[in-house]
Amino acid sequence: AQKITQTQPGMFVQEKEAVTLDCTYDTSDPSYGLFWYKQPSSGEMIFLIYQGSYDQQNATEGRYSLNFQKARKSANLVISASQLGDSAMYFCAMREGGNDMRFGAGTRLTVKP
Amino acid sequence: GAGVSQTPSNKVTEKGKYVELRCDPISGHTALYWYRQSLGQGPEFLIYFQGTGAADDSGLPNDRFFAVRPEGSVSTLKIQRTERGDSAVYLCASSEGDMNTEAFFGQGTRLTVV
Repeated sequence: AQKITQTQPGMFVQEKEAVTLDCTYDTSDPSYGLFWYKQPSSGEMIFLIYQGSYDQQNATEGRYSLNFQKARKSANLVISASQLGDSAMYFCAMREGGNDMRFGAGTRLTVKP
Repeated sequence: GAGVSQTPSNKVTEKGKYVELRCDPISGHTALYWYRQSLGQGPEFLIYFQGTGAADDSGLPNDRFFAVRPEGSVSTLKIQRTERGDSAVYLCASSEGDMNTEAFFGQGTRLTVV
């Protein structure tokens, strides 16, 4: 069963605007971690942000923030002040207690000038 | 090296041949992951090692795929009797044993089966 769901195959955002990329997950494990990665056209996987299941505060890293809604099992990525260089594939991932890490299908973000 | 290293970066092989893909993780990282990624899709989990042992190999598609990590460092993904459907980018990642730490990825091996 798919544990990570990203329902937006593609998203467009105007430069300097904010955008939210959706991610929902499914687990019965009380201890888990949620991750977002960026994959530009070059193919490298770049870690962006992490949220632990027990964290009380939403994670933030520069222009990236994670809107963590535990009861809804969602972990949406918010990118503020979009830049042209933000155009890429974005993947949500979850690591459960067993420590393997599973990814969603991804969202292709295009930033328009 | 400072990062995860995968070799070769590209591999073209004929259908039916055997291939080995190598992953050299970040020194000291106990966790190692293999993924397969097809164009436009997310990384598909194959296998996860904690130290020398395969903690989860549920993602290996069939018995043609096998991976080892004999000394808890370098890992080799082995594919027997390759098929055209095996063509993809194979990604390796490593992390510290802590569940809360991110995984660092290599650049991948692009496998093409002709």
